[in-house]
Amino acid sequence: GNSVTQMEGPVTLSEEAFLTINCTYTATGYPSLFWYVQYPGEGLQLLLKATKADDKGSNKGFEATYRKETTSFHLEKGSVQVSDSAVYFCALSRSNSNSGYALNFGKGTSLLVTP
Amino acid sequence: GAVVSQHPSWVICKSGTSVKIECRSLDFQATTMFWYRQFPKQSLMLMATSNEGSKATYEQGVEKDKFLINHASLTLSTLTVTSAHPEDSSFYICSASSQSGNSPLHFGNGTRLTVT
Repeated sequence: GNSVTQMEGPVTLSEEAFLTINCTYTATGYPSLFWYVQYPGEGLQLLLKATKADDKGSNKGFEATYRKETTSFHLEKGSVQVSDSAVYFCALSRSNSNSGYALNFGKGTSLLVTP
Repeated sequence: GAVVSQHPSWVICKSGTSVKIECRSLDFQATTMFWYRQFPKQSLMLMATSNEGSKATYEQGVEKDKFLINHASLTLSTLTVTSAHPEDSSFYICSASSQSGNSPLHFGNGTRLTVT
């Protein structure tokens, strides 16, 4: 089945540093790819998505490009802020038709940005 | 924007009792709802998919008699953990979708269940 692997955390960065969180996937067919963010004490929020190869998703300064040749969807941000501290989940749509629009998630990467 | 409300946000119960968790879509009709479970520092694991008016589809290894799911209306799905045990303690998250051919975009804030 479809699955994602993302880099282990925690990741600690200083404010204004460059962020990369790696995510690679294994899939049959052409899944949609997502990044979700979970702030402390809150539920998941969709950060960005891409539905086909070479698509770039972007939001709040974050971006990720759907790379079919490298089966990757790395999350990047040029200058992180303290408020970006959260857990980031890479996800892809499942191939099992019984689950319709369900997602498979990576294990999450905790990001801590210090002033 | 679309909001999914999950209630309660946390609950503590004794072993052997049952707990019901509600998931409501507040401003859209959710034809499909998903229930996930998240262990500490782990990913979200899909437990089951429910479609309004039909039986839920459970993932392999999830006991359907233990985790009862009801999706009686287009805005409400419930997950009941029956005869709860300490190993059922976890973070349960629901997700709802109104779209076809796409993935759910709306998650609840989750319910922290602690079974003593």
